Amino acid sequence: QSVLTQPPSASGTPGQRVTISCSGSSSNIGGNTVNWFQQLPGTAPKLLIYSNDLRPSGVPDRFSGSKSGTSASLAISGLQSEDEADYYCATWDDSLNGPVFGGGTKLTVL
Amino acid sequence: QVQLVESGGGVVQPGRSLRLSCAASGFPFSGYGMHWVRQAPGKGLEWVGGVWDAENDIYYADSVKGRFTISRDNSKNTLYFQMNSLRAEDTAVYYCARERYDVPGAFDLWGQGTMVTVSS
Repeated sequence: QSVLTQPPSASGTPGQRVTISCSGSSSNIGGNTVNWFQQLPGTAPKLLIYSNDLRPSGVPDRFSGSKSGTSASLAISGLQSEDEADYYCATWDDSLNGPVFGGGTKLTVL
Repeated sequence: QVQLVESGGGVVQPGRSLRLSCAASGFPFSGYGMHWVRQAPGKGLEWVGGVWDAENDIYYADSVKGRFTISRDNSKNTLYFQMNSLRAEDTAVYYCARERYDVPGAFDLWGQGTMVTVSS
């Protein structure tokens, strides 16, 4: 069982906006910034959002992140078929003294 | 070319050892924290260990503490992962990942992964 809680699945149709939630506690999300990773089928993960809401160079602005208290969210607007992937939230955990990941959310584009 | 390339995976019997390597290129390796993240078949990501600038600045997940050892050779731009007393539950793809210098846990560069299968 993961320290961070994500819904196992999410879905949307092309052009829609979808959000993926990530819930933690005061020892992780509550006191640290959140990062999001995208893992396309059969490939290594890719950093999508860091420091709650910043995008690395090359990541489309359709992807956005936010954090409030002990929860965070990833939003994808203008959904495209190539967005079909697994999405993971991650942050530092002060109690475990290391990074922790959410269980992942499988996004399906209908 | 900025990249990480893992090697050393394979099939090993329970209780045996294996050493993974991660060769870095295209960036100043010594200036970055480096980590190992694994993914069991059909499962999510699990951080298993990381080493920062100083070689005594190393942390492990409880699941591997005491069995696995991280080291780095900055002269060879290489990260290592010595895995001892392997168990079936250690079966996974092992990725090495670079951490952004300014954001803990923001792994901005990943290798392609190397598969470790622990089976008799």
